[in-house]
Amino acid sequence: GAGVSQSPSNKVTEKGKDVELRCDPISGHTALYWYRQSLGQGLEFLIYFQGNSAPDKSGLPSDRFSAERTGGSVSTLTIQRTQQEDSAVYLCASSLVQQSSYNSPLHFGNGTRLTVT
Amino acid sequence: GESVGLHLPTLSVQEGDNSIINCAYSNSASDYFIWYKQESGKGPQFIIDIRSNMDKRQGQRVTVLLNKTVKHLSLQIAATQPGDSAVYFCAENISGGSQGNLIFGKGTKLSVKP
Repeated sequence: GAGVSQSPSNKVTEKGKDVELRCDPISGHTALYWYRQSLGQGLEFLIYFQGNSAPDKSGLPSDRFSAERTGGSVSTLTIQRTQQEDSAVYLCASSLVQQSSYNSPLHFGNGTRLTVT
Repeated sequence: GESVGLHLPTLSVQEGDNSIINCAYSNSASDYFIWYKQESGKGPQFIIDIRSNMDKRQGQRVTVLLNKTVKHLSLQIAATQPGDSAVYFCAENISGGSQGNLIFGKGTKLSVKP
């Protein structure tokens, strides 16, 4: 079946511009996560959507970052006034139940590689 | 603070040998653990998970071992193949925790020599 889909796969933008990154989770998955991965580094948690509950935004690095999830499905991560340090791969993941748990692991997309020049 | 980490950042093995990737965790409240494989240019791919009430779980060519006494997790890959070359991440799940419950380690790069 279809996995988690992210678009665009690559994005090059100029410093100061806004960008929008899109994530289509696996159909029926109620939990959706955004992570950031810098080159050769681990996964940095950004935000987590859990069903209809308020999202956990504790990982967003600044108020330039925001995300929404419409209709419990597609999610958009927006970065305003991009900076060079925002350059990274942005990964989206979804899981079947409200919280990643045993036998309901995260399924990741292939990410959007963002380059800020 | 509490974190998930790895003993070795890189591991090089000969094709056909067994590989062992280690992970240490420090949160005794963690109730399940996951291993992910990430190939270059791709997102992490689920390999296997294990609950805290288990000490061993086997999959296809992979085995995860959990030692709660010393808070240690390992991933064993049998008969390692070139296609196993990737970065391997462990993650721990803390029920009721923040960050959607999951905390990821920094990863170990596995290189398989033909």
